[in-house]
Amino acid sequence: EVQLLESGGGLVQPGGSLRLSCAASGFTFSNHAMTWVRQAPGKGLEWVSAISGSGDRTYYANSVQGRFTISRDNFGKTLYLQMNSLRAEDTAIYYCAKLPGISMVVSPFDFWGQGTLVTISS
Amino acid sequence: QPVLTQPPSSSASPGDTARLTCILSSDINVGHYKIYWYQQKPGSPPRYLLYYFSDSDKGLGSGVPSRFSGSKDASANTAILLISGLQSEDEADYYCMIWPSNVLFGGGTKLTVL
Repeated sequence: EVQLLESGGGLVQPGGSLRLSCAASGFTFSNHAMTWVRQAPGKGLEWVSAISGSGDRTYYANSVQGRFTISRDNFGKTLYLQMNSLRAEDTAIYYCAKLPGISMVVSPFDFWGQGTLVTISS
Repeated sequence: QPVLTQPPSSSASPGDTARLTCILSSDINVGHYKIYWYQQKPGSPPRYLLYYFSDSDKGLGSGVPSRFSGSKDASANTAILLISGLQSEDEADYYCMIWPSNVLFGGGTKLTVL
């Protein structure tokens, strides 16, 4: 059974940093590109970042480019999102999701974790 | 900047066919993209439902009933999610998604089953 379990969310002051983790199980982690999608309270979905299965290619939304870094540990089957210079508008539930294939090509996000809440406030 | 516009809300009765729309901005042509649809119920993560490119290139997500289907209205530059035999459990938010360069989501439609 595919499982994705996010952790690392919490309350952080503006300008602070946070690292999110997404522990994967039930599938061959290294064979799948992974992505982060966020959802502000009461709002819609916003794509944040993605990484290929091997970790050699990364992609970012303009809104987080230069502040967030996506990475993965294929041995430990864990996806990460390092978030720096956090702003109030980064407040959201952050979901990790898997793609069907190893590359970041046009495809669905076919399984999602339960999400972790990040709150940016002083 | 490409935009996907979804009506904030829609309603239908049990047994009806719900028709949810996703209008693409004029700078992107619906005929060029696979459209992905997701369902999200309160307190739950999104669930992948299906993709639609054409009648010969489409697919349902794992475990998704065949009551869910997609289509396009090229004249309106619009993607459509159809849910036939509407059930109370179909009450949820529905999001469309495309990949013009980076991933883009519509704002979502809250479907109420009356």
